[in-house]
Order: sequence, then structure tokens, then C-alpha cells
Amino acid sequence: KQEVTQIPAALSVPEGENLVLNCSFTDSAIYNLQWFRQDPGKGLTSLLLIQSSQREQTSGRLNASLDKSSGRSTLYIAASQPGDSATYLCAVRPSMTTDSWGKLQFGAGTQVVVTP
Amino acid sequence: DAGVTQSPTHLIKTRGQQVTLRCSPKSGHDTVSWYQQALGQGPQFIFQYYEEEERQRGNFPDRFSGHQFPNYSSELNVNALLLGDSALYLCASSFTGKELFFGSGTQLSVL
Repeated sequence: KQEVTQIPAALSVPEGENLVLNCSFTDSAIYNLQWFRQDPGKGLTSLLLIQSSQREQTSGRLNASLDKSSGRSTLYIAASQPGDSATYLCAVRPSMTTDSWGKLQFGAGTQVVVTP
Repeated sequence: DAGVTQSPTHLIKTRGQQVTLRCSPKSGHDTVSWYQQALGQGPQFIFQYYEEEERQRGNFPDRFSGHQFPNYSSELNVNALLLGDSALYLCASSFTGKELFFGSGTQLSVL
């Protein structure tokens, strides 16, 4: 059974510092991995999607790496800003069959606070 | 281009009642999935609808049911509500399994 873990559960950094968020999964047989941002009581905003054949993806200040064999992904946010304060969730897609392509398995998230 | 839209945004019900939540997928999307997110936890997969059929279900009882309409919109129904059903319910859509996009959710409180 796939387990997705995010450590730490919470993180507080001063503005300008780089953020490093970790995600681990127990079964390396994944189709892809997605990072999301969630503001309190709101829906999920997709940040980056990494296919299982890729090693990393970048978008602006965000960079996500994937090491499928070791079951790890890391999200880096450069030069953090107070507006980056949110909960960050990683999710793996176990397979790509017609019946299951809408299924993601999520970690519990890392709550980030960036202080001015 | 509207994204995934859900209604209502908030809902308060009492134990034993029934509730219906609605979701309109992003334009061009044909697959809808529903998730339950309890406070402080990651979303849990409830089920996926594609071609108007439930294709896969997570670990949720039969009290949770759904429907997908010909225009790809979807409903989630929960019968005999329990206190533990209080959560944020998220709808996600995609086009034939490509990237999932999520709505803003429906916050359900069961008293």
C-alpha cells in the first residue's frame, strides 16, 4: 500500500530564505508526482507536475526534483516571500489506467510561514 | 475560461440528513474525481467518474454516491450524515488523465 509522507509538518522561515520541502513515498511504481499549494479553507493550486521519467521541473522560483528509485521528491522555493505562506502538499498518481487516472494519493502537507 | 467550479461553498447539516454537492469541470475536461479533506490532513480519494460511470472508489462507504452528467458535470451525494463527515470536499477534473485541476471546495459542517 502506497504511503506518502511529508516532513516537517510545519516550517517557519524569515523572508528571503530558501525553502526546502520534502516528500517521500513507499512504492516507487508511480506515474507522476504533483506539488500543490493550499491556502486556509481553500482548494488546491497546482504548482508543478513531474512525470516519472523526469528528474526535475522548474517554474519561476520553484524547482521540484524527483528520485523515483529512492521514493523522494523535494520542492525548493527560492527567496521566500510572505505571500508564500500556505500549506504545500505533494501527491503521487499510482497509475494511468482509465479507471484510476483521477486518483491521487496525498501527503498530509507542510504548513509554511514566511515572516517579514 | 472558468476553472473547476463547486457549489455551494459552505453547507451546514445535522446528523442523519442527506447532502448533494455539485461540480462543474474545467472546460474541455471529461473526468471528475471527488476528494474529502479533514482538517489538518491531506485529501482522500472518494471516487472517479468518467463516461458517466464510477470507475474507481476509495475507502468510503456506500453512503457516498455520485453521478456524472452528459455535460461532464458531477454530483456527490452523502446519505445519513455523521459528525465525522464534516470536511472540505474537493472536486478535481482532467482531460483523459492529464494534469488534475481542483476546485475551491465545499466546506461541510455536520452538527
